[in-house]
Amino acid sequence: KAGVTQTPRYLIKTRGQQVTLSCSPISGHRSVSWYQQTPGQGLQFLFEYFSETQRNKGNFPGRFSGRQFSNSRSEMNVSTLELGDSALYLCASSFGGRGTGELFFGEGSRLTVL
Amino acid sequence: AQRVTQPEKLLSVFKGAPVELKCNYSYSGSPELFWYVQYSRQRLQLLLRHISRESIKGFTADLNKGETSFHLKKPFAQEEDSAMYYCALNDAGGTSYGKLTFGQGTILTVHP
Repeated sequence: KAGVTQTPRYLIKTRGQQVTLSCSPISGHRSVSWYQQTPGQGLQFLFEYFSETQRNKGNFPGRFSGRQFSNSRSEMNVSTLELGDSALYLCASSFGGRGTGELFFGEGSRLTVL
Repeated sequence: AQRVTQPEKLLSVFKGAPVELKCNYSYSGSPELFWYVQYSRQRLQLLLRHISRESIKGFTADLNKGETSFHLKKPFAQEEDSAMYYCALNDAGGTSYGKLTFGQGTILTVHP
């Protein structure tokens, strides 16, 4: 079966712009989580969506937002980009229920902010 | 707040030698712990989780609540084990399985 698909894979933006990243989960998965990966901070949880509802949120400013559609696809948006937002953004999907535990990761979207 | 610590950024061993990747956590409740692995040019993927108590690719990990540790072990390392290994904790108490707290990762290199 197809894995988690993230688009775009690479993008370059300038400070002050906004960006939207997309994630298509594995078919049948209802949970989508987003992570930011940087050399300094490692992997940090951004938020999780389950059945179109945000179920949990990490410690990021309000410039970071997301949503999930009825087909479980998810988007995350970062507004007013800052240099420090340069990172690899990973999306992960799962069934979302108790006992599953395993997250399936995409290849990531690498954002560079100039 | 929950925290996962992997004290070694880099770990080098020779093929056939035992390997242990350390992971310590801080969490007041009952955590669920995982090891994720990322091989070169591949996606991050689950290696094993403590609740299943299984051995994957010869790796095992035991949750020690007294020492708050979840070290990953393999008795005989292979070159194909070279990868980045992340220890991760789920602390959402059954309400959110998508939220993991990751350690900083350990790069394991197995020399021939």
